[in-house]
Amino acid sequence: EPEVTQTPSHQVTQMGQEVILRCVPISNHLYFYWYRQILGQKVEFLVSFYNNEISEKSEIFDDQFSVERPDGSNFTLKIRSTKLEDSAMYFCASTPGYSYNSPLHFGNGTRLTVT
Amino acid sequence: AQKVTQAQTEISVVEKEDVTLDCVYETRDTTYYLFWYKQPPSGELVFLIRRNSFDEQNEISGRYSWNFQKSTSSFNFTITASQVVDSAVYFCALKVSGTYKYIFGTGTRLKVLA
Repeated sequence: EPEVTQTPSHQVTQMGQEVILRCVPISNHLYFYWYRQILGQKVEFLVSFYNNEISEKSEIFDDQFSVERPDGSNFTLKIRSTKLEDSAMYFCASTPGYSYNSPLHFGNGTRLTVT
Repeated sequence: AQKVTQAQTEISVVEKEDVTLDCVYETRDTTYYLFWYKQPPSGELVFLIRRNSFDEQNEISGRYSWNFQKSTSSFNFTITASQVVDSAVYFCALKVSGTYKYIFGTGTRLKVLA
């Protein structure tokens, strides 16, 4: 069964550094998402992306965050200047988009640790 | 605004017991979709079931069943004859038609004891 893949599985970075989290969504999916989960807490929506532009974003997704689909397969989340509070598990997800009730298909996540 | 509430923070049951996880949602929209996800200790998020607001019947799938009550805005999830492998955090999620965002509840940690 096709799956969403995320790399790396664990990223450690120093405060103030830029970090890029990478995702390869399922190949025929059209809608892409980033969610984050601070340890043991709720799964929080960051951003959705369709047709090469942001379709919706949360208040968490401020100017420090950006997303990009640089080619036909990758979907990236960039944090420009990381803060300690950015430490979390970041999940990429995708949906086919042909129906509103499609479930999110999640990757296994990237654990980001900011020191 | 939309909201999902999972009031049960943690539930412990003994293996083979039935367990029901509660989910209450808020939305003013008439067309919406509800989901349950499982997050085992390994950390991935696994889709379990979904429900459309306009579906009439509740369903059973193997050991899983769900009870959708529009009158009380609840979407409860039951595991029959629980097993140790069911131990996980379970999240309820809501998506409103015409939007892109899936809103998750805070999760319920289920511990199934042998």
